[in-house]
Amino acid sequence: SAVISQKPSRDICQRGTSLTIQCQVDSQVTMMFWYRQQPGQSLTLIATANQGSEATYESGFVIDKFPISRPNLTFSTLTVSNMSPEDSSIYLCSVELGTDTQYFGPGTRLTVL
Amino acid sequence: SQKIEQNSEALNIQEGKTATLTCNYTNYSPAYLQWYRQDPGRGPVFLLLIRENEKEKRKERLKVTFDTTLKQSLFHITASQPADSATYLCALPSGAGSYQLTFGKGTKLSVIP
Repeated sequence: SAVISQKPSRDICQRGTSLTIQCQVDSQVTMMFWYRQQPGQSLTLIATANQGSEATYESGFVIDKFPISRPNLTFSTLTVSNMSPEDSSIYLCSVELGTDTQYFGPGTRLTVL
Repeated sequence: SQKIEQNSEALNIQEGKTATLTCNYTNYSPAYLQWYRQDPGRGPVFLLLIRENEKEKRKERLKVTFDTTLKQSLFHITASQPADSATYLCALPSGAGSYQLTFGKGTKLSVIP
């Protein structure tokens, strides 16, 4: 398994601003994923962030809105840009350890006013 | 893409009884299926993975079945306890050979003392 931490755990932001969420893993992993979970909904994959390549975004998500960095095998960031109230969600990172299972961070609860 | 249906949004059962949750999927037959537990304000926690050539898998009080003909998985918790109260998510690979997961909306289980 893996131990994953996220910062911040929660934040309240003003419309039009940006927030960068950090994800730190306690071991080196190739595959990292970023999800969004809107209130009362399941998880929706935003993008896959593999070290050494550009992030791959799912339909409905674009790099300008959700830029991702993956500088090394233990760390990634997701930025939510030019936020609106519709971006209020829990944002989760996860890693895949080669066993077809994913391990999730605790999530970042974002509220946009 | 894969579509997943979890039978009910909420399930209430009496402590000590067996809880049975259902996950149905459409489209292609996945190589495996997973179940996760999510507590409020936390990230999902991996519970069990069952592969297409396995009919049943057990882990302590948990049992998962996988019927590729019916395109269905059943998740059982025997001798349920109030501590089992949580949302349970079914997840499948998003496509053949994909490491990305598609999640169901989840079933919120409440075990009543």
